Amino acid sequence: EPEVTQTPSHQVTQMGQEVILRCVPISNHLYFYWYRQILGQKVEFLVSFYNNEISEKSEIFDDQFSVERPDGSNFTLKIRSTKLEDSAMYFCASSEADQLQGGEQYFGPGTRLTVT
Amino acid sequence: GENVEQHPSTLSVQEGDSAVIKCTYSDSASNYFPWYKQELGKRPQLIIDIRSNVGEKKDQRIAVTLNKTAKHFSLHITETQPEDSAVYFCAASKPPGYSTLTFGKGTMLLVSP
Repeated sequence: EPEVTQTPSHQVTQMGQEVILRCVPISNHLYFYWYRQILGQKVEFLVSFYNNEISEKSEIFDDQFSVERPDGSNFTLKIRSTKLEDSAMYFCASSEADQLQGGEQYFGPGTRLTVT
Repeated sequence: GENVEQHPSTLSVQEGDSAVIKCTYSDSASNYFPWYKQELGKRPQLIIDIRSNVGEKKDQRIAVTLNKTAKHFSLHITETQPEDSAVYFCAASKPPGYSTLTFGKGTMLLVSP
């Protein structure tokens, strides 16, 4: 069964550094998402992406964040200047269609980002 | 924006018992409600979902009920097994794109043999 993959599984970075988290969505999926989960807290929506542009974003997704689909397979989340509070598990997800059409979101295994 | 509350935060049951997890939502425009199971160190996986045009949906030992008037929905697991032990998250989303899932805080279900 195809799965969403993410790299790296764990990233440690210093405050102020830029990080890029990478995701490979399921190949025939058209909708892509990033979520984060701070340790012990709920999963929070960051951004959704369709047809090479952002379709929705949350208040968390400020100017420090950006997303890109640099080629036909990768979907990346960039944090420009990391802060301590960016430490979290970041999940990528993809769906074949939006939920209006019944598209289930499949989650990747996550990247644990630790900002020191 | 949407707010989803989930209870209880922890639920311990004996193998074979039933487990019920409840969620409430605030935005009456929400009409898609998935439930995700997350085992320790693993990705969230969709186990069942319900749309607001139905009141109940069943899949073997799991069922979800929805009360649109009261704005709450529940997950029911019957004949629980140790492998059901995990964190369960409810979520809600709404049109137009339904892409934003608002999650509850999660329920840790512990099933003792």
